[in-house]
Amino acid sequence: EAQVTQNPRYLITVTGKKLTVTCSQNMNHEYMSWYRQDPGLGLRQIYYSMNVEVTDKGDVPEGYKVSRKEKRNFPLILESPSPNQTSLYFCASSLRGPYNEQFFGPGTRLTVL
Amino acid sequence: GENVEQHPSTLSVQEGDSAVIKCTYSDSASNYFPWYKQELGKGPQLIIDIRSNVGEKKDQRIAVTLNKTAKHFSLHITETQPEDSAVYFCAATFNTNAGKSTFGDGTTLTVKP
Repeated sequence: EAQVTQNPRYLITVTGKKLTVTCSQNMNHEYMSWYRQDPGLGLRQIYYSMNVEVTDKGDVPEGYKVSRKEKRNFPLILESPSPNQTSLYFCASSLRGPYNEQFFGPGTRLTVL
Repeated sequence: GENVEQHPSTLSVQEGDSAVIKCTYSDSASNYFPWYKQELGKGPQLIIDIRSNVGEKKDQRIAVTLNKTAKHFSLHITETQPEDSAVYFCAATFNTNAGKSTFGDGTTLTVKP
């Protein structure tokens, strides 16, 4: 089944404790992206990757890191999480970029205490 | 960069009525306008999209119209059903903007039986 998977689905952590949210797609898509969803603010893009080893900042990259060492994986790293990073996170992929259909993962609910 | 405004933020209709959600965008270079539906507890899913070379696209009960001059596009849902209840997001992007993707803030549609 073609899909985007994210892990974990739920995470409660404390300020400053490094964490990684994994994202994987099995559709051989070149483009992958991370979004955060907050009430009233819609989906805001954190980072994106046009292909392996090519990443760039979205609109809200502060406090996040990403890497794209393999085509299928695009982990999101929070090196020192803070409470304002409490949010619902979505990973997405598409064939070539956001001007094609994006396929979203199921989301990761992160709480930083 | 691109700015997308979406209205209304909430919309409640009676089953069988029509629903209309509107989005305006700022960058006249934008040429791809997708609409995503997010059901409770899930990631967004594409329901319809339109490119700037057409003014309208229809898929059964769903249609999207685009006015490039006024820089706005709308989602029309006819004969609404309770399963149409969800959060709807519009987005605007253009294929020369690399991987940037800008979404509206979302509209929560409730269809009352």
